[in-house]
Amino acid sequence: GAGVSQSPRYKVAKRGQDVALRCDPISGHVSLFWYQQALGQGPEFLTYFQNEAQLDKSGLPSDRFFAERPEGSVSTLKIQRTQQEDSAVYLCASRRSSAYEQYFGPGTRLTVT
Amino acid sequence: KQEVTQIPAALSVPEGENLVLNCSFTDSAIYNLQWFRQDPGKGLTSLLLIQSSQREQTSGRLNASLDKSSGRSTLYIAASQPGDSATYLCAADTGGFKTIFGAGTRLFVKA
Repeated sequence: GAGVSQSPRYKVAKRGQDVALRCDPISGHVSLFWYQQALGQGPEFLTYFQNEAQLDKSGLPSDRFFAERPEGSVSTLKIQRTQQEDSAVYLCASRRSSAYEQYFGPGTRLTVT
Repeated sequence: KQEVTQIPAALSVPEGENLVLNCSFTDSAIYNLQWFRQDPGKGLTSLLLIQSSQREQTSGRLNASLDKSSGRSTLYIAASQPGDSATYLCAADTGGFKTIFGAGTRLFVKA
């Protein structure tokens, strides 16, 4: 079946704008993760969903970041009042359950000007 | 707090060489450890997943080992090829929720 998809692939936002990043996980995958990846670094954990429940949001850097997965499938990461330091690649991953591999989407490259 | 370190940060080898990439983690209470490959501008591709109860996993020319007691994992690549050039990342699952990544090893295999 299809892999994890993310949209948009690229987003340029002016400082202060709100953005919404979408993740379509693999069908039937219970777990969904969001990560932030800066250039030359490994992905940094942002938040985790099990079905529609957000079980860990300890990695969200500020209250400007908000994630949801209302029906347990598609997820949206929203960033309010974007700042230049929010510029990064945002990766989404899903997995069938905790005993299985994570599968990653291609990422959304966010540039805040 | 779990920390994951990868050594070396970069590696350049001639084609055909066998090589080892290292990953260390500070908290041995991991659920599993996963190795990924990332090509420039792309997402991550899963290579191998080792459960905490396992010692190693193999896929083709790749072999990954896990030693929880010493907090180490290694990824062995046999007979390297130019197509293996990429960044290799290891990630420790701390218990089903949070996954901690290393910064990666950038591998360049020269033809």
